[in-house]
Amino acid sequence: KAGVTQTPRYLIKTRGQQVTLSCSPISGHRSVSWYQQTPGQGLQFLFEYFSETQRNKGNFPGRFSGRQFSNSRSEMNVSTLELGDSALYLCASSLDLFGESYEQYFGPGTRLTVT
Amino acid sequence: KNEVEQSPQNLTAQEGEFITINCSYSVGISALHWLQQHPGGGIVSLFMLSSGKKKHGRLIATINIQEKHSSLHITASHPRDSAVYICAVSKMNYGGSQGNLIFGKGTKLSVKP
Repeated sequence: KAGVTQTPRYLIKTRGQQVTLSCSPISGHRSVSWYQQTPGQGLQFLFEYFSETQRNKGNFPGRFSGRQFSNSRSEMNVSTLELGDSALYLCASSLDLFGESYEQYFGPGTRLTVT
Repeated sequence: KNEVEQSPQNLTAQEGEFITINCSYSVGISALHWLQQHPGGGIVSLFMLSSGKKKHGRLIATINIQEKHSSLHITASHPRDSAVYICAVSKMNYGGSQGNLIFGKGTKLSVKP
C-alpha cells in the first residue's frame, strides 16, 4: 500500500504571498490531520478533516485553512504569509472507524520557507 | 505547564545500553502515541496504546492510566536508534475526533558505537 504523500516537498515563498499544500492519504483512510513543526514551538495541531468536514481545529489564525475532497485528499492553504510561518508542515492519515483511536501515518512533510 | 511532558530532553547512550524515555500527561486521553523522527523530518509511529504494555522487537511501551504516565524502553540500543522520540496524546473527545494530537517536546537520543 502506498504511504501518505505530500506535495510539494520544499517551497520558498515571499511574505504576503499565499501557499497551498497537498496531502494524499493512504487508500481507505478517511481522517486527515495537519500539523506544523517549528524549532521553537515543536509539533502543533492545525486541523483535522473527516469525510470532507473539518472535525477539529487547533489554535491558529484564520489565515490557515484547509479542505478535504471526496477522495479524502486534503489541501491546506496559508494566506498572507509571515516569516513565522516557516516550518515543516506534516499531514497524517488514519483509518478512524467508529470514532475509535487508530494509529496515525505521517507523510514526509512540506518544508516551507518564507523570506 | 505543557499538557504533555517528556524527560529527558537529551539522552546519550553507549551501544548496548537499556534506555528509558518517560512521558507524563495532564489531560484525559483516549490513546497515547510514541513517534520516532529521524533527521530530515519523517515521522514514524512506533506505538499507539491506551492500556498496558506493547512490544515490537527491541522496543517496549508501557502506560499507567491512573498515574497518567508512559515509558518507552529500548533494549540493547544501537546507533541506528539515534533519533528524536516524541510522545503524543489523543485527548478524550466524545465528538469522535482522534486526529488532534498534543505533542511532547521530544527526546533526542544519540547512541554511540
